[in-house]
Amino acid sequence: KAGVTQTPRYLIKTRGQQVTLSCSPISGHRSVSWYQQTPGQGLQFLFEYFSETQRNKGNFPGRFSGRQFSNSRSEMNVSTLELGDSALYLCASSLGLGGYNEQFFGPGTRLTVL
Amino acid sequence: AQSVTQPDIHITVSEGASLELRCNYSYGATPYLFWYVQSPGQGLQLLLKYFSGDTLVQGIKGFEAEFKRSQSSFNLRKPSVHWSDAAEYFCAVGAAQTGANNLFFGTGTRLTVIP
Repeated sequence: KAGVTQTPRYLIKTRGQQVTLSCSPISGHRSVSWYQQTPGQGLQFLFEYFSETQRNKGNFPGRFSGRQFSNSRSEMNVSTLELGDSALYLCASSLGLGGYNEQFFGPGTRLTVL
Repeated sequence: AQSVTQPDIHITVSEGASLELRCNYSYGATPYLFWYVQSPGQGLQLLLKYFSGDTLVQGIKGFEAEFKRSQSSFNLRKPSVHWSDAAEYFCAVGAAQTGANNLFFGTGTRLTVIP
């Protein structure tokens, strides 16, 4: 069974631009979560989607948004990029909701904002 | 609110030596606890998890962890470290409630293994 895939793996953008990252979960998984990883703040939860609905959101500004499609694939969007948005963005999928569900992480998308 | 503390930023051990990585958590109820490992340029891989029951849990790659409620700790151990164990290790706590998958991570411990 294929793992979680994220595209693109690397991105370079400039301040003020917007970016869309994509995540394909493991087949059969319906929950997708997004995390931001930076050297200063570590791993921080962005949001979680299940059945095309956002179920949970972390403490990030409204510039960060996401969505989930009927096939469980998810995208996250960051508008008006800032230098501080440079990070590794990780996507994780799980079978369902509930903290007891194991989350499987993708390799991440490395975003650099210049 | 949940929080996780990993007091050791960087640990260096010799190959074949034993390893213990520390993790302390803060959570109002019985938490779901996890240890993940991240190799350079990779995502996170689950090593082991604790939900309830036996407080000593076994994971992959020869790792184990012990949940100690009285100390709010969930330390990761391995009796004999291999060079391939060099990576960054993250302890995480999950909300023990239905409908929330989000994890709260510690800041990580980077493990260096010397031959």
